[in-house]
Amino acid sequence: KNQVEQSPQSLIILEGKNCTLQCNYTVSPFSNLRWYKQDTGRGPVSLTIMTFSENTKSNGRYTATLDADTKQSSLHITASQLSDSASYICVVSAANSGGYQKVTFGIGTKLQVIP
Amino acid sequence: EPEVTQTPSHQVTQMGQEVILRCVPISNHLYFYWYRQILGQKVEFLVSFYNNEISEKSEIFDDQFSVERPDGSNFTLKIRSTKLEDSAMYFCASRPPPSNEQFFGPGTRLTVL
Repeated sequence: KNQVEQSPQSLIILEGKNCTLQCNYTVSPFSNLRWYKQDTGRGPVSLTIMTFSENTKSNGRYTATLDADTKQSSLHITASQLSDSASYICVVSAANSGGYQKVTFGIGTKLQVIP
Repeated sequence: EPEVTQTPSHQVTQMGQEVILRCVPISNHLYFYWYRQILGQKVEFLVSFYNNEISEKSEIFDDQFSVERPDGSNFTLKIRSTKLEDSAMYFCASRPPPSNEQFFGPGTRLTVL
């Protein structure tokens, strides 16, 4: 069964500090891994997408890594801001025939940045 | 910048009533999706739609659910006879080929009383 596990479940950090969120998955056959930011009551917004051959992808202060061998990904947030407070969701897609994506969501890590 | 839109933002209905949730995907996108998120839980896949037919659906998407693309712009999710446990945020998403990136709408909060 395809699964995506995220840790920690929640995290509180001081403004300006860095943090790293973890994602482990058992999705096969792997197609791509995405990190989303979801503000409370809003739709997820894509931060990064990585395919099998990509190890690192950056988007501003967000840097995602992917180790396809160990099936692990991390999202590193640098110099956190109050607006970074949100849930961060790891989403892994399995490749299906016909190009359709079977998508498995993690439960998310709830990040709170405090002044 | 184009974005996925959803209406209404909040729908309140009585148990047993039919509801239709509406989505307008981004215009050049060809793949469409519905997801739901029960309060405090993770986002769950419901159904994907391509070329005017369902391409994949989850075990949640039973006979009470249906999707339709009635014209060139709207993509709807119908729940025939709502149950209390259908209360959730429902997100529509779309993606253009050949990109892997799905763009999500803001969601419709469905409350079944």
